[in-house]
Amino acid sequence: AQTVTQSQPEMSVQEAETVTLSCTYDTSESNYYLFWYKQPPSRQMILVIRQEAYKQQNATENRFSVNFQKAAKSFSLKISDSQLGDTAMYFCAFWSNSGYALNFGKGTSLLVTP
Amino acid sequence: SAVISQKPSRDICQRGTSLTIQCQVDSQVTMMFWYRQQPGQSLTLIATANQGSEATYESGFVIDKFPISRPNLTFSTLTVSNMSPEDSSIYLCSVDRGNYGYTFGSGTRLTVV
Repeated sequence: AQTVTQSQPEMSVQEAETVTLSCTYDTSESNYYLFWYKQPPSRQMILVIRQEAYKQQNATENRFSVNFQKAAKSFSLKISDSQLGDTAMYFCAFWSNSGYALNFGKGTSLLVTP
Repeated sequence: SAVISQKPSRDICQRGTSLTIQCQVDSQVTMMFWYRQQPGQSLTLIATANQGSEATYESGFVIDKFPISRPNLTFSTLTVSNMSPEDSSIYLCSVDRGNYGYTFGSGTRLTVV
C-alpha cells in the first residue's frame, strides 16, 4: 500500500515570500501521479498542481512549482510570492493505476501573514 | 473539467437520525467517490460508487451505516445513518478524472448533537 507523509503540520510565511511544503511517499509502483490540493476555509478541494512520475521535468503552474525527486520519493511544493489567499490546508496525494482512489497525506496548514 | 453540485452544504442533526447527501455531476462519469474528513484531519475514502452495481466500501465503513445509491452516471447519494456525535465531519464526493486527479464537490459539514 502507498503511504503519503507530510511532516509539517503547520507553516507560516509572510506575504510575497517563498515557502516550501514537504511531502514524501512510499510505493513500489513505477508509474504513478502526484498531486497537491489546496483546501481553503470554504472546504472546497482545489487541484494546485500535478506531476506524472515518468516525467523528469518538474511541473509548474504560475507561482506554484514542485521539486520532484523520484529516487528519494520526495514531492515538495514551492509557493513563490505568497499571497494572503494562499492561506489554506495543503494536501499531497498519490494516485496509480493499481488503485483507483487518491491517497492523501495528513496535510499542512499554511498561514500567509501580511 | 467536471463540475459537481453537492447538497446540503451543512446541517445540524439530532443523534439517531439519518442524513442523505446528494452529488450531481454535470457530465457522465463512471466512478464516484465519497470521502470523510474528520475535524482537523485528512480525507479518508468511505466508498466507491459505480453505476449499476453495489458500492465498494473501504475497511472500517459498512453499508448499513453509509448506504450509497448510484442510480445513473451523473448522480449519487450518501446516507449517514443512525448518527452519533462521532459522525460529525465534512463529507465530500468526488469524481475520477483519470490521470488528472479528482474533482471534488464543495463538501457537506455535518454536526451531530
